Amino acid sequence: AQSVSQHNHHVILSEAASLELGCNYSYGGTVNLFWYVQYPGQHLQLLLKYFSGDPLVKGIKGFEAEFIKSKFSFNLRKPSVQWSDTAEYFCAVRSTSGGSYIPTFGRGTSLIVHP
Amino acid sequence: DAGVTQSPTHLIKTRGQQVTLRCSPKSGHDTVSWYQQALGQGPQFIFQYYEEEERQRGNFPDRFSGHQFPNYSSELNVNALLLGDSALYLCASSSQGAQETQYFGPGTRLLVL
Repeated sequence: AQSVSQHNHHVILSEAASLELGCNYSYGGTVNLFWYVQYPGQHLQLLLKYFSGDPLVKGIKGFEAEFIKSKFSFNLRKPSVQWSDTAEYFCAVRSTSGGSYIPTFGRGTSLIVHP
Repeated sequence: DAGVTQSPTHLIKTRGQQVTLRCSPKSGHDTVSWYQQALGQGPQFIFQYYEEEERQRGNFPDRFSGHQFPNYSSELNVNALLLGDSALYLCASSSQGAQETQYFGPGTRLLVL
């Protein structure tokens, strides 16, 4: 069974600081990878996704993530965070074999950005 | 183009009661998945419906059941509620196809007292 680990449960940054949130997964086969964001009081929204091709993926709001297959990682980055980035961030992985296509989510990272 | 909608937004029940949550998928989507998100955790997959049939199921007891209607909307039913069922219940919709991404609704916050 696949699992997802998000190492940082709580991150506190000042505006303009750089962000990197870690995500590692355990599954040996081909995967699709996702980052979702949940702003306070809002629903889960897709930030970016990786299916194949260029391992460096650009998402909305200046976010990007890099898929490193050898490290089973898909870390989320943003060079300069804003107060409005305060939210819960979830990494998710789904296998592309076996016909499942159900994502497994990490437990999330709570990001607080101080103005 | 309406996104995924869920009702009600909040619900309070007592132990042993039954609850029904509702979901309308995004326009053009035919597949509905339900997730449970406990406080401080990521969403956990409950089950998925396609063509009015339960297609896949996660590790949840039979107290959790569902239904999908011909218009693709869906219901999640939970019987014999336990305190531990208190959570945010999320509905996600998608189209058939391996490459399709799920889009989530705002969720229903269930509190069991």
